[in-house]
Amino acid sequence: DTGVSQDPRHKITKRGQNVTFRCDPISEHNRLYWYRQTLGQGPEFLTYFQNEAQLEKSRLLSDRFSAERPKGSFSTLEIQRTEQGDSAMYLCASSRGANEKLFFGSGTQLSVL
Amino acid sequence: AQKVTQAQTEISVVEKEDVTLDCVYETRDTTYYLFWYKQPPSGELVFLIRRNSFDEQNEISGRYSWNFQKSTSSFNFTITASQVVDSAVYFCALSDILTGGGNKLTFGTGTQLKVEL
Repeated sequence: DTGVSQDPRHKITKRGQNVTFRCDPISEHNRLYWYRQTLGQGPEFLTYFQNEAQLEKSRLLSDRFSAERPKGSFSTLEIQRTEQGDSAMYLCASSRGANEKLFFGSGTQLSVL
Repeated sequence: AQKVTQAQTEISVVEKEDVTLDCVYETRDTTYYLFWYKQPPSGELVFLIRRNSFDEQNEISGRYSWNFQKSTSSFNFTITASQVVDSAVYFCALSDILTGGGNKLTFGTGTQLKVEL
């Protein structure tokens, strides 16, 4: 396993701009998750894919957020019209099956100025 | 609603001391999983252990041990003979089964462990 890869590691943007993050899960992992972590807090679930299907979204995920996983491989998370409250670490994780352990990437640290 | 409480915000110990990190959870589910993850300064969450709700056996892995007590809804984590490399934030998490068998984790707020020489 090469691990979960996230790009970029850091992103600084101005309020109102759109940003997109990418996650490459461990190959053969059909489940992919996005979490958000703010300073001093544990990660919070945002959304989840099984293969290419987005099966669940948290209420935390406003309509400015959209995630895709075309072809069931890598995933992208886009935030439109960023706000300062969007500043956080965005973590991607993947797993092989139900209730299997989640492997996390190193995250993308977003700073909205 | 699921909830995980890690009351200890920060713990400082001297190397070679034993340290226990507390975790208390709330859930209405009868079947669930509990996890511990470690987050070093690099930011990546590292899996340590997964335990299902039917297995209350304590587990030991090297210097790590876990005490799961369903009666008190606790899943505590002990590091024996701590080392500087153990310094990190440790998260306890509780699973919730999602549509399609996915695994949504509810995390606690974490305990920052500092091991000093």
